[in-house]
Amino acid sequence: GAVVSQHPSWVICKSGTSVKIECRSLDFQATTMFWYRQFPKKSLMLMATSNEGSKATYEQGVEKDKFLINHASLTLSTLTVTSAHPEDSSFYICSARQGAPEAFFGQGTRLTVV
Amino acid sequence: RKEVEQDPGPFNVPEGATVAFNCTYSNSASQSFFWYRQDCRKEPKLLMSVYSSGNEDGRFTAQLNRASQYISLLIRDSKLSDSATYLCVVNAGGTSYGKLTFGQGTILTVHP
Repeated sequence: GAVVSQHPSWVICKSGTSVKIECRSLDFQATTMFWYRQFPKKSLMLMATSNEGSKATYEQGVEKDKFLINHASLTLSTLTVTSAHPEDSSFYICSARQGAPEAFFGQGTRLTVV
Repeated sequence: RKEVEQDPGPFNVPEGATVAFNCTYSNSASQSFFWYRQDCRKEPKLLMSVYSSGNEDGRFTAQLNRASQYISLLIRDSKLSDSATYLCVVNAGGTSYGKLTFGQGTILTVHP
C-alpha cells in the first residue's frame, strides 16, 4: 500500500509552547489528507480535512485557531498545536488517500504536554 | 445512535479458534467499507476492504449486508499475532472519497 510518513513519532513539550507535526505522502501525491486524534482505548476522532492549496475543513468542536493545518504541497500537510496545554496530550494520526477510498495512515505522533 | 457501532468485546479466544466481529452503520448512503487493524500504540493498518459480494483473504472473510447496514469480519484458525484492536470503518460521506468514520474498535486477544 501507499506510504505515509509522520514526524515526529513522539514529542514532549512545555505548556504554552507550540508543536508542529508533519505528514508526508512518500510515493504518491495527496490532494487531501486527514488529521485524527485518539485518546487511550478510544477510536479515532476526525479533527480536520486538509486540502492542498486551500483552507482545511474542521470538524465541529475542533478549534481551528488551536490546531493550525497547512497543506502547502501535494506531499506535505502539517498540524501545529498552538499554545499547548496538558489536555492536548494525545495520539495524533494523519492519513492520506491514493486515488482510492481506503486510507493509509502515518505512524502517529504521541504528544505529551507537561 | 452512533454512525458506526461495533461489538463491544473484548474477545479472548484460544489459538485455532474462529471468531466473528459485527458492525452496523447508520448512513444508508455509505459507499465504502473497511476493516482496519490497530496494534497497541500504533497506527491503524488496512486489513481488507469489504465488498457487496463478500470477500476472503486467507483466514479472513468479510461480509456486507447493505439492506441491514451490517458488516462482519470472520477470522478462522486464530493466531497469536491476530491479537489487536479491529476497527470497522465506513466511508459515510455518501461519495467514494468522503470522510471515514471509525467504530470504537473491538479488542481481540488470542491466547496459547
